[in-house]
Amino acid sequence: QTVVTQEPSLTVSPGGTVILTCASSTGAVTTGHYANWFQQKFGQAPRALIYSTSNMHSWAPARFSGSLLGGKAALTLSGVQPEDEAEYYCLLYYGGAWMFGGGTKLTVL
Amino acid sequence: EVQLVESGGGLIQPGGSLRLSCAASGFTVSSNYMNWVRQAPGKGLEWVSVLYTSGNTYYADSVKGRFTISRDNSKNTVYLQMNSLRAEDTAIYYCARGEFGRPLDDWGQGTLVTVSS
Repeated sequence: QTVVTQEPSLTVSPGGTVILTCASSTGAVTTGHYANWFQQKFGQAPRALIYSTSNMHSWAPARFSGSLLGGKAALTLSGVQPEDEAEYYCLLYYGGAWMFGGGTKLTVL
Repeated sequence: EVQLVESGGGLIQPGGSLRLSCAASGFTVSSNYMNWVRQAPGKGLEWVSVLYTSGNTYYADSVKGRFTISRDNSKNTVYLQMNSLRAEDTAIYYCARGEFGRPLDDWGQGTLVTVSS
């Protein structure tokens, strides 16, 4: 059974940089997994940030970026703002089906 | 403006059936990838099903054989038929639309399904 793994929680200081990662139990994450990243704040529906590994949605702040790093998909936040405190989820493609990671709770402190 | 409005949630007994609807406006469902995603109380997101523009469908292992996704082009609406419901199916169910490489661009506000006796 395929599992997608994210860090359960991370803490970053305002203005700092943090990298969230997304790993696949099937092996290295590649561009063929079309990694997507989502932000969800409490009580709200999720919001798409990044699609197909590194493409930003028009509404996503420029401080968010996506990439592949060490066999994983990665979401980098540079110059973190207090409003970035949220849950972040990655989504990977597996030959027709999709699978979310468990999510990373990002605390800005 | 793209809008997705889910309906059909509620309280259902284990073993029962429910059909969720997702009424779309601002775009055509048959020209987009249409998905259902769920979130159990206090838990993470779980992708449930997708209906591609080709008509092909895929499901999460947890719902395969019990849930069916479909669309009615005349009503511009997507459905999720849920049978043999279990307590672990209790969740907010979101409808989302997208396209190649970006399957979940726009989301509805969700509808709550509670499976309990």
